[in-house]
Amino acid sequence: DTGVSQNPRHKITKRGQNVTFRCDPISEHNRLYWYRQTLGQGPEFLTYFQNEAQLEKSRLLSDRFSAERPKGSFSTLEIQRTEQGDSAMYLCASSPDLIENTIYFGEGSWLTVV
Amino acid sequence: SQQGEEDPQALSIQEGENATMNCSYKTSINNLQWYRQNSGRGLVHLILIRSNEREKHSGRLRVTLDTSKKSSSLLITASRAADTASYFCATDAGANNLFFGTGTRLTVIP
Repeated sequence: DTGVSQNPRHKITKRGQNVTFRCDPISEHNRLYWYRQTLGQGPEFLTYFQNEAQLEKSRLLSDRFSAERPKGSFSTLEIQRTEQGDSAMYLCASSPDLIENTIYFGEGSWLTVV
Repeated sequence: SQQGEEDPQALSIQEGENATMNCSYKTSINNLQWYRQNSGRGLVHLILIRSNEREKHSGRLRVTLDTSKKSSSLLITASRAADTASYFCATDAGANNLFFGTGTRLTVIP
């Protein structure tokens, strides 16, 4: 499978715990995005990488959230001291193309904070 | 805030009928895209229309774009039960990422 891969697919955690999600983009895609989606809503942009550089962050990305893409390939999204409001699906996407911006999504990682 | 708004929020049709979904957006765009999402899954890119295009076809999909009204429509012809999903429009608004609407939940009844 050469698509965007995310894991874990599901995570249940207690409030206050830290969680980390991993994303492996499509090979040779130099752009990588993280989005968050809650039930009944569309995806909301969190952050974007061009290779290893994090070029843009949304206001939604509070200081409890950190994303990295150390070698310009896979990326991790860590949420520290989780809160119930963090419960959502976290979607990773990648793109090869600067101009048209078509992005390719993974299947998402569901987070439930109890 | 999200850039686009889809209308209707939910649509239920019989198999074989056509489904039309609309999207309105707020600012100038380079292109507009439509994505599909099955329940609990990731989004799948369907079609992209550039700001200088007015209509585009792909299989059973037809997309129109009216930049003067800042609106787009997605038509799915001869719908199938497998078309049941949520459909989102997304715009770039000149930024380096896409802004998604709230989606239209389409149910196609066999």
